[in-house]
Amino acid sequence: AQKVTQAQTEISVVEKEDVTLDCVYETRDTTYYLFWYKQPPSGELVFLIRRNSFDEQNEISGRYSWNFQKSTSSFNFTITASQVVDSAVYFCALSERETSYDKVIFGPGTSLSVIP
Amino acid sequence: DVKVTQSSRYLVKRTGEKVFLECVQDMDHENMFWYRQDPGLGLRLIYFSYDVKMKEKGDIPEGYSVSREKKERFSLILESASTNQTSMYLCASSPGGEQYFGPGTRLTVT
Repeated sequence: AQKVTQAQTEISVVEKEDVTLDCVYETRDTTYYLFWYKQPPSGELVFLIRRNSFDEQNEISGRYSWNFQKSTSSFNFTITASQVVDSAVYFCALSERETSYDKVIFGPGTSLSVIP
Repeated sequence: DVKVTQSSRYLVKRTGEKVFLECVQDMDHENMFWYRQDPGLGLRLIYFSYDVKMKEKGDIPEGYSVSREKKERFSLILESASTNQTSMYLCASSPGGEQYFGPGTRLTVT
């Protein structure tokens, strides 16, 4: 069965520290997508990244980086030199192709607080 | 940039009222979704639509219906609002793969 686990419910860091958000997934399929979304206090979920199951290259975008490892079914997200604006709830998600659409399973989210 | 808009940020309705939540996207996406988000329960899919006039039930469709008469607009309808439908409602659209969300509607049913 599909499942996304984000074991860290809440994390607090001091500004400029690095922080890694963990994501572990379960799926029966060989073809799937993984995503990260950010939900700031304003409430709107913002899409950050998509990774397909055939592409295990790590990705870096500014202070953000993602580490995808199929061997451990993990897709971890690291924020380098955290800033107060990074305070948000972060969701990891998994999608598999159903008959007519991509069914997305969201993890429970990790609430990140960056303290100035 | 993808733009998904929802008709209201905050809404207060009385028990038994019929409630319409509107969602509009401007990116010609085929797929649109309605979720509700509750503390401790995460995001739960209510309904989705993969084409005009097409709709499919998600995980928690009871008490809700939807309408998609035009590609860009997907409406969520609460036929007779109840207090347990107090929640944050999120609309999303997708070309396939990633989803783009609106700002959400916080609905309170009293």
